[in-house]
Amino acid sequence: DVKVTQSSRYLVKRTGEKVFLECVQDMDHENMFWYRQDPGLGLRLIYFSYDVKMKEKGDIPEGYSVSREKKERFSLILESASTNQTSMYLCASSFNRPELSSYNSPLHFGNGTRLTVT
Amino acid sequence: GIQVEQSPPDLILQEGANSTLRCNFSDSVNNLQWFHQNPWGQLINLFYIPSGTKQNGRLSATTVATERYSLLYISSSQTTDSGVYFCAVELDDKIIFGKGTRLHILP
Repeated sequence: DVKVTQSSRYLVKRTGEKVFLECVQDMDHENMFWYRQDPGLGLRLIYFSYDVKMKEKGDIPEGYSVSREKKERFSLILESASTNQTSMYLCASSFNRPELSSYNSPLHFGNGTRLTVT
Repeated sequence: GIQVEQSPPDLILQEGANSTLRCNFSDSVNNLQWFHQNPWGQLINLFYIPSGTKQNGRLSATTVATERYSLLYISSSQTTDSGVYFCAVELDDKIIFGKGTRLHILP
């Protein structure tokens, strides 16, 4: 079974702190994604990566950055945490399937990190 | 950008009932997936279905790509089916989610 592991289930940080959210997958997936989930808004894409050292902005990248130095690890960085970044953060991964019209195989999600910024 | 609309937003059913959840999208997409988020927040992939029909036990899904919609059918509902159901579409390398349908199955 695919395992996507997020380093923390719950995290409390202060405004202005630099925050690192870590995600590791064990299935040699090329693609990795960071979403945030807020009530009434569903899942919104922050950043994604299709290869090591590669990153692409999603729909809401402001206030975030990412790092992918190794294939299995995708880190989300909040440069200076703010209260409006209090949310559930979800990491996902998938295979790359360029032979199909789709770039992605089924997405597999981690358990999520619930971040509170006070 | 592409719009992904799910309906209904909320659904309450008695155990044993059948239900149909709908996902409409505003542009042609490469792919579509259905997910179930359980009450503990875990997202499970149910179907990877760019077109056609697939079945897995009491669940089935149909995507009509040319008409830009997908349906998720749940038959003989059980309380463990409760949670939020999301559809997600792939376009231009991005995977975009709808806002979900919250399903509550009463015992």
